[in-house]
Order: sequence, then structure tokens, then C-alpha cells
Amino acid sequence: KQEVTQIPAALSVPEGENLVLNCSFTDSAIYNLQWFRQDPGKGLTSLLLIQSSQREQTSGRLNASLDKSSGRSTLYIAASQPGDSATYLCAVRTPGGTSYGKLTFGQGTILTVHP
Amino acid sequence: EAQVTQNPRYLITVTGKKLTVTCSQNMNHEYMSWYRQDPGLGLRQIYYSMNVEVTDKGDVPEGYKVSRKEKRNFPLILESPSPNQTSLYFCASLGLTGFTGELFFGEGSRLTVL
Repeated sequence: KQEVTQIPAALSVPEGENLVLNCSFTDSAIYNLQWFRQDPGKGLTSLLLIQSSQREQTSGRLNASLDKSSGRSTLYIAASQPGDSATYLCAVRTPGGTSYGKLTFGQGTILTVHP
Repeated sequence: EAQVTQNPRYLITVTGKKLTVTCSQNMNHEYMSWYRQDPGLGLRQIYYSMNVEVTDKGDVPEGYKVSRKEKRNFPLILESPSPNQTSLYFCASLGLTGFTGELFFGEGSRLTVL
């Protein structure tokens, strides 16, 4: 059974810092890994999707890397801003159940960026 | 604009009063799914559908029903709601044809059962 862990559970940083959020998974036989952002009481917004054959994806100030063999992904946020404050979730899709596979979410990292 | 739309966004009801949460997507996606999110438990899948008239249980299906009569709609039905179904509910979809595996979520529906 796939298990996804996100560390740290919460992070508070001053504006302008570069930061790294971690996601680890137990089963390396994955299809892809997706990072989401969730604002309080809101839905999940997809940030980056990394296929199993890829090592990293970039979007603006965000960079996500994937190391399948070690079961790890990192989300790097450059020059953090107060507007980046949110909960960040990673989700791993693995074979099983259906042709789509099964999606397993981490518990999330709550990020607060202080002005 | 590609989107997944849920209604209602907020609902307070009483035990036993049947309710339906609607979900609609405009991306012609085959796959749709319902999740609930609870503090300390994260996101858990309730039901999913691979296409019209094809539905299956997720991890926590007890107390819920779904239907998929049209490709764009996937309502979640609580026949007799109980307080332990108080939660934040999310609908999601993705396209299976030429798909990348990227899941799109609705804004969420916060349900309180008294």
C-alpha cells in the first residue's frame, strides 16, 4: 500500500526566502506525482505534474523534482511571497484498482510567509 | 474556461434529511471522483467513475451514493446524512484519452450535519 509523507507539517518563513517542501512515498512504481496548492476553505489548484519518466518540472518560481528510486519529490519555491501562504499537497498515482490507477495524497505542508 | 463546478458550496442540514451535492465539468473528462477532507485524515476517496454508467467505491463509500448518467455530471447523494459526514467535499475530474494524469478539482462543498 502506497504511503505518502510530507515534511515539514508546517513552515513559517520571512518574505524573500527560498524554501523546499518535501514529499516521500513508499512504493516507487508510480505513474506520476502532482503538487497542489490549497487556500483555506478552497479547492485544490494543480501546480506541477511530473511524469515518472521526468526528473523535474518548472513553472515560474516553482520547481518540482522527482527521484523515483529514492521515493522522494521536492517542491522548491524561490523568493517566497506572502501570497504563497497556503497548504501544499503532493499526490502520487500508482498502478492498481483501475486503468487510471490509484491516487494517494500526503497530509500537506502548511506554509506561512510573513511580510 | 476549464472548470469543475460544485453546488452547494456551503450547506447545513439535519440528520436524516436527504441531500445531493452536484458536480459538473466542462472538459469532456471521462474520469470523475469524489473526495472528503477531514483534519488529520487528509483527502480520502469516496467514489469514482471511469465513464458514463460506470461507478465504483473508493476508500470510504459508506453512507454515500453516486450516479453517472451524463458524462459531465457526477452527483454525490447522502440518503440519510449523519453528523460523521460533516466534512469538506471535493469533486475532481481528468481526461483518460491522451491523458497526462493531471487531476482538476472543484472549489469544494462544506457540509455540516447537525
